[in-house]
Formats: sequence, C-alpha cells, structure tokens
Amino acid sequence: SQQGEEDPQALSIQEGENATMNCSYKTSINNLQWYRQNSGRGLVHLILIRSNESEKHSGRLRVTLDTSKKSSSLLITAFRAADTASYFCATDSGNTPLVFGKGTRLSVIA
Amino acid sequence: DAGVIQSPRHEVTEMGQEVTLRCKPISGHNSLFWYRQTMMRGLELLIYFNNNVPIDDSGMPEDRFSAKMPNASFSTLKIQPSEPRDSAVYFCASSHSSRNTGELFFGEGSRLTVL
Repeated sequence: SQQGEEDPQALSIQEGENATMNCSYKTSINNLQWYRQNSGRGLVHLILIRSNESEKHSGRLRVTLDTSKKSSSLLITAFRAADTASYFCATDSGNTPLVFGKGTRLSVIA
Repeated sequence: DAGVIQSPRHEVTEMGQEVTLRCKPISGHNSLFWYRQTMMRGLELLIYFNNNVPIDDSGMPEDRFSAKMPNASFSTLKIQPSEPRDSAVYFCASSHSSRNTGELFFGEGSRLTVL
C-alpha cells in the first residue's frame, strides 16, 4: 500500500514558471525522497530530506518537509520542457524499504 | 558504472507461459529490490534482498511469483504460470544499505505483456 500520496496527479506548466508538487504521508518517517521518471525509463533519485530537516535545495529544486503535517513539497523553479516527467515521493521509516506514491505527471503547456 | 541492468526490456508472452526477468545490481551494492509498476496501483514493492538473503517477500502477489538472488551480482524474478493481470513494468533497484543515504538506483525496467 502507498505511504506517500502526491498531489496533484497531473500538472501542466508554462516554461519559465515554477512548478510545485505536494506529498502527504501517514506514518512517522526517517527520510523522504523525491524521484523523477521520464516516460519509459526507470526512476532517478533527485533529493533526500531527513526528518530533522525542514528545507533543502539542489539546483532548481527546493524541497520542504513538515513532519507535524506529514507533508512535503517539491518546487521546481524556472520550469523547462525537459523537466517533463513523473515525480514521486518515497518514504522510509528506519530499516524499511522505500514506499512510493503514485506520482505527479508534470508536463509543459505548449 | 553501468548502473542497474535489467533484461529483457520488453517481453510479450501468452497466458500460462513462464516468464523470467533478470537483474544485475550495481557492483558493491548489497541491497536489491523488485518493484512492479502499473497505472492502477503505482509502484509496489514485491521483494527485497540484503546480502543475497530475501528479507521481505510479503509483496509477492501469490505463489506464481518467485525471486532468487544466487550471488551478489544477479537476481531473477520468475512468474509461472503467467496471467494477463501480471502485465506491468517490473523494476529492479539496488542500494548500499550501510550508507545512510537510502537512495535507490533503478534499472530501466522490464515491460511485460501477457496476452
């Protein structure tokens, strides 16, 4: 069963705008990770945030984590057509394998 | 590093046939995971291994599914007999469990179609 649930399921963005995706989860976690999946490809790790962190940056990515609300957000600044992909959050609770959400499909408005 | 290598990339078979999916993890990684991805259910963990030992196979749908890891560089996921509802993309992923990053490295997946 999914632990993380992304919102929205799909999002269309104009190039140059910022894209924000959210993830909610149900139980306490150690870490939360975001992955990207291009169509027909495997998932690729983007960023990890630990439960004692509230914000993390990597290039055009900004991740926030609010453990009191059991939620995280992924912000992609200055969206490019090449960012078109599905984005997944995944959580772990110690020595447990990652549990993934169903993802947000991010696409460009032509 | 070649990354996680899966084969075949695509498999089309008929109901009742045996299917074997293969995975070579990244050298030095000691954890290996098999996931299944469908539109309806998303990404589901089937089974994972630590140091070649199966740790949790509670995600394996039924007895038709089996997985082995005879050594640190090879794993198989077998479905026998296959059914149309097994159609999905099967991913293998590996990680180094002693590093505290938790990052998984995925293969490109094996797309299975059972007619």
